[in-house]
Amino acid sequence: QKEVEQNSGPLSVPEGAIASLNCTYSDRGSQSFFWYRQYSGKSPELIMFIYSNGDKEDGRFTAQLNKASQYVSLLIRDSQPSDSATYLCAVSRDDKIIFGKGTRLHILP
Amino acid sequence: DVKVTQSSRYLVKRTGEKVFLECVQDMDHENMFWYRQDPGLGLRLIYFSYDVKMKEKGDIPEGYSVSREKKERFSLILESASTNQTSMYLCASSVSGSFSYEQYFGPGTRLTVT
Repeated sequence: QKEVEQNSGPLSVPEGAIASLNCTYSDRGSQSFFWYRQYSGKSPELIMFIYSNGDKEDGRFTAQLNKASQYVSLLIRDSQPSDSATYLCAVSRDDKIIFGKGTRLHILP
Repeated sequence: DVKVTQSSRYLVKRTGEKVFLECVQDMDHENMFWYRQDPGLGLRLIYFSYDVKMKEKGDIPEGYSVSREKKERFSLILESASTNQTSMYLCASSVSGSFSYEQYFGPGTRLTVT
């Protein structure tokens, strides 16, 4: 089982709709969870981080964490063409961080 | 805002050359990291440093070394560049403590070894 797993996509979502990106992880000792956005040819940019079970909202973005089921998700409301990018999930504990390979999101105009 | 800068956006080197990649952060972060990113393989940790003059191997340290003489600067060294080191190299920094804190990335250096 991969340590951090994401569907590679592409995930196509109409403009204005909600985009839902999912990530599962295998290490139950994981403590911190991050979502990064990466445009083609650019470096990852931190969007959200979450440490506790439940939802965390920041503008159009909501991170959801369920430690019992070992998944973390990112919801993007009112999707815009500028949201088209690869989204990386990262899961960490004190001594290591593991990045997923990312999900490509394509917002359809 | 955290700012992490890298010395070059694009670099072309010949096989066998010694290559230096420099990274500077301006947020007084304790931790600094070097990754490489390759299609299909994702981000892989090469080395990290949690303090000046301290370094720890990551998942793929072979063929690389690092130097951290000042808190704000972390250098990656390819002792003798090889074609399989052609990649995007990403530097990151985070506050002290552990891997549990968010990392901020520099713009990356796309290195081509011919």
